[in-house]
Amino acid sequence: EIVLTQSPGTLSLSPGERATLSCRASQSISSIYLAWYQQKLGQAPRLLIYGASSRATGIPDRFSGSGSGTDFTLTISRLEPEDFAVYYCQQYDTSPYVTFGQGTKLDIK
Amino acid sequence: HLQESGPGLVKPSETLSLTCTVFTASITSGSYQWGWIRQPPGKGLEWIGTIYNTGNTYYNPSLKRRITISVDTSKNQFSLKLSSVTAADTAMYYCARLGDFCSGGRCSTMAYWGQGTLVTVPS
Repeated sequence: EIVLTQSPGTLSLSPGERATLSCRASQSISSIYLAWYQQKLGQAPRLLIYGASSRATGIPDRFSGSGSGTDFTLTISRLEPEDFAVYYCQQYDTSPYVTFGQGTKLDIK
Repeated sequence: HLQESGPGLVKPSETLSLTCTVFTASITSGSYQWGWIRQPPGKGLEWIGTIYNTGNTYYNPSLKRRITISVDTSKNQFSLKLSSVTAADTAMYYCARLGDFCSGGRCSTMAYWGQGTLVTVPS
């Protein structure tokens, strides 16, 4: 099983700042099989990024994904108030078997 | 697009049974797969399993012995059964549609989710 480790556990930033969230895989995965989700309190997760860097429908371009091998990054260029949430990475290199990271909470500073 | 239903309280050692009703798409469509994901209170997401329109099922190895996912095409629904539950199975259970966004021929991302249903197993 591929284990995804996200860091930091909590990230405290202010609106307008840049956020960088990390996802590290326990073994190398193809970058096209990495996705990111956003989950707000009391809501289901929302797909943001798939294929490591492609945005899902309706996702603002301040969200971007990058990375390869075992290290992947979700960047939010300028934080909006609605971006404060929990973010999960997901690998589907072993599709249909998939795993999620444990999440990074993005807090308002 | 999807809605979960089922009992909110299940006794230890019994079987948890949930149903997901699919709207706006046919469950027999070859374009999609259908999955279950759960989230214990205050914790992260855990993939439970996925069913394809062919009827093929794929389960999380850690839960495989206790899970059955099936489809009812007449009702456009798919279902989850988890046997021998314990308090560790207490979670929000989500159903989801996979296949809207693919890369490299693999489509196991989840673009549409139900709102989730909380299932509690008392200790």
